[in-house]
Amino acid sequence: DTGVSQNPRHKITKRGQNVTFRCDPISEHNRLYWYRQTLGQGPEFLTYFQNEAQLEKSRLLSDRFSAERPKGSFSTLEIQRTEQGDSAMYLCASSLVAGAGELFFGEGSRLTVL
Amino acid sequence: AQRVTQPEKLLSVFKGAPVELKCNYSYSGSPELFWYVQYSRQRLQLLLRHISRESIKGFTADLNKGETSFHLKKPFAQEEDSAMYYCALHSGGGADGLTFGKGTHLIIQP
Repeated sequence: DTGVSQNPRHKITKRGQNVTFRCDPISEHNRLYWYRQTLGQGPEFLTYFQNEAQLEKSRLLSDRFSAERPKGSFSTLEIQRTEQGDSAMYLCASSLVAGAGELFFGEGSRLTVL
Repeated sequence: AQRVTQPEKLLSVFKGAPVELKCNYSYSGSPELFWYVQYSRQRLQLLLRHISRESIKGFTADLNKGETSFHLKKPFAQEEDSAMYYCALHSGGGADGLTFGKGTHLIIQP
């Protein structure tokens, strides 16, 4: 297991287009988190799953953002009708329930909206 | 609402000098505090957590509930310590993920 995997690593898109990012967590981890990081800021929590259940989504930035984890394994984060302000690094992390504060991060997916 | 404050965006010290990266938090309950580190071209990773009370790579951090602080310290800095350091808070038993500070860029000069 090589750790948390994210793809694509980089995505350039035009304003108004939809984008989807994928995250494959560490296989035995049942918690999966999405964060956004902009320049000069720390990671900002967006949402998280325990197995396939999305237990917190009120921190998603707008209704254009949605996330799924249909089988409790990989997850996708979709941004519809992208705006220039969505340009950021999107980080995925996973953890065991017992170690909920100990997150294992992926390398991130960098989004650039033109 | 919970908040983590790292007052220094950049901290530059010479090799062999002591290092202290400051972190203050705001939270009404009993938080769990963490330090995460990101070395150049690497992913964000856990450095240490307050409940472990351990020293990792020579770094220690003590939770001071009176001052609501969790400063990261190392007595003798090494060049390989150069990295971005993020302090993070978990509400402990709550449903939310970690709340991160904005980070401090530590540069160790030779």
